[in-house]
Amino acid sequence: GEDVEQSLFLSVREGDSSVINCTYTDSSSTYLYWYKQEPGAGLQLLTYIFSNMDMKQDQRLTVLLNKKDKHLSLRIADTQTGDSAIYFCAEDAGFGNEKLTFGTGTRLTIIP
Amino acid sequence: DADVTQTPRNRITKTGKRIMLECSQTKGHDRMYWYRQDPGLGLRLIYYSFDVKDINKGEISDGYSVSRQAQAKFSLSLESAIPNQTALYFCATSAGTGGLSYEQYFGPGTRLTVT
Repeated sequence: GEDVEQSLFLSVREGDSSVINCTYTDSSSTYLYWYKQEPGAGLQLLTYIFSNMDMKQDQRLTVLLNKKDKHLSLRIADTQTGDSAIYFCAEDAGFGNEKLTFGTGTRLTIIP
Repeated sequence: DADVTQTPRNRITKTGKRIMLECSQTKGHDRMYWYRQDPGLGLRLIYYSFDVKDINKGEISDGYSVSRQAQAKFSLSLESAIPNQTALYFCATSAGTGGLSYEQYFGPGTRLTVT
């Protein structure tokens, strides 16, 4: 079965880069995702990467995918206080099945 | 107006009581999902439905049941609530029709406490 793992906490100084890591087990995923959960809210899709890509950049966000090691990372450049949230990586079940398996979530805290 | 709504937003109930959580969506999506969120465990899938006549168990369906009353409505029931069902519950939808159809849209969550 699928298993997606993340470290639970990360603290970063405002203005520095944040790197959130994730490991997954299902090699048949079509897409891998990063969702953001702000306090008191549901999850929102932040970015995603197609499984045959190794990098995707979207403004301050960079997603790196290492399929060989089944490792996904999210880098947030110039981290701001508004980036404080829980970040979840997720993988789909592949082959047209969009059932997602989520990681445990990483709580990002910004130090002023 | 929110695309995915959940009612109630907060609920406290006693052990053994039956409780229903409701989810409605205006996105016109066929796929709907129920998750629970526990600290340190992330989101775990309880049930999902790919259309009105299709209901599937997720990884933690024991103690829960669901009903897909219409394309827009998907409810989750706890027949006899127990304290370890205390959690934050989320409903989500996805289009499933091509492109980035896998993106899921989440409701605001229902905080359930079972005493």
